[in-house]
Amino acid sequence: TQLLEQSPQFLSIQEGENLTVYCNSSSVFSSLQWYRQEPGEGPVLLVTVVTGGEVKKLKRLTFQFGDARKDSSLHITAAQPGDTGLYLCAGPDQTGANNLFFGTGTRLTVIP
Amino acid sequence: NAGVTQTPKFRVLKTGQSMTLLCAQDMNHEYMYWYRQDPGMGLRLIHYSVGEGTTAKGEVPDGYNVSRLKKQNFLLGLESAAPSQTSVYFCASSLVRGYAQYFGPGTRLTVT
Repeated sequence: TQLLEQSPQFLSIQEGENLTVYCNSSSVFSSLQWYRQEPGEGPVLLVTVVTGGEVKKLKRLTFQFGDARKDSSLHITAAQPGDTGLYLCAGPDQTGANNLFFGTGTRLTVIP
Repeated sequence: NAGVTQTPKFRVLKTGQSMTLLCAQDMNHEYMYWYRQDPGMGLRLIHYSVGEGTTAKGEVPDGYNVSRLKKQNFLLGLESAAPSQTSVYFCASSLVRGYAQYFGPGTRLTVT
């Protein structure tokens, strides 16, 4: 059974602080995606990482795909209240259906 | 370009009642999905469709039926609602299977 474990489950920080959240699995993924979900809305895709060791930057957000393609991290520099939300990682189902399998998420609160 | 829309946004049902949730997308995507999101459980796939006239079961299909009569629409039906179906339901669509999914705003369903 594939599992995508995200940590921490909850994170509350002050504006301006840095943070890192993690997405780990014992399975190899061909790619991983990160989504952000704001309260009352659907998830919105932030990035897709495909190559082991890949690093992608989106303004203050840095995404890394592990060398073995079993894990990924999201680092936010100088967090702002607008970063508040639920961060979800997702990867293609390895059963052959190739649907997305989602982790349970990290709920981030940035306090002004 | 509205993306993915869902109706209704909120609904309260009594046990045993039926209802249909409507999802529409204007991006000409082949793939469409219905998820439910529960606290601590993440997003779980209910049913999906790989094209007009096709449907398939996901991870948690029991108690739900779906139809995709037109490419742009994907309907989720509950024939006899149960309290365990209280959840937030999201529809999504994608151009490529296993990659970026675009989500609707969700429907919050309460079954009493």
